[in-house]
Amino acid sequence: GDSVTQTEGLVTLTKGLPVMLNCTYQTTYSPFLFWYVQHLNEAPKLLLKSSTDNKRTEHQGFYATLHKSSSSFHLQKSSVQLSDSALYFCALSEGTGGYKVVFGSGTRLLVSP
Amino acid sequence: DAAVTQKPRYLIKMKGQEAEMKCIPEKGHTAVFWYQQKQSKELKFLIYFQNQQPLDQIDMVKERFSAVCPSSSLCSLGIRTCEAEDSALYLCSSSQRQGLSQNTLYFGAGTRLSVL
Repeated sequence: GDSVTQTEGLVTLTKGLPVMLNCTYQTTYSPFLFWYVQHLNEAPKLLLKSSTDNKRTEHQGFYATLHKSSSSFHLQKSSVQLSDSALYFCALSEGTGGYKVVFGSGTRLLVSP
Repeated sequence: DAAVTQKPRYLIKMKGQEAEMKCIPEKGHTAVFWYQQKQSKELKFLIYFQNQQPLDQIDMVKERFSAVCPSSSLCSLGIRTCEAEDSALYLCSSSQRQGLSQNTLYFGAGTRLSVL
């Protein structure tokens, strides 16, 4: 079945440094990838999404590029802020109009002053 | 931003008691999902409704939960007999049906259930 792997459970960084959160996936369908962010005691919300191969998608300073050749959709930011501390989920949806969304295990990003 | 409302925010039950939580999907959204999140970790899929009909659910939900969407503007998730392992944050999300695979899921803030 479909799966999403996020290798880091916790990433700790100092404010101003760059970050990359890893996401790889497995599917036999045409993939639609998402990044959701969940701040403490808040609902998860969409950060960005893509189904276009090799095209960079950006939102709120974060960016990701879907690479179908390597089945990856890593999330990056050039300079993290304290407010970026949150739980980040990578998610996969079948690109065939299906309803299933598979979530990764999540990566907690902690940014210190 | 879309708004999904969940009530109550917090629920405390004794082991063996029944629990019920409600969700008001975003207006116009016909797909509703419930997820379980333990200790701020991964989201576990529980059940999916399309136009108020349950189309997919995991075995745990079939065996111990009750989930319905009596109208397009209200869904509920119940636990018939709470167990300690049910302590978690229950998240409801909704989405537009058309082109479902590419549609964003909009989440409520969740109901945090504690089973003592």
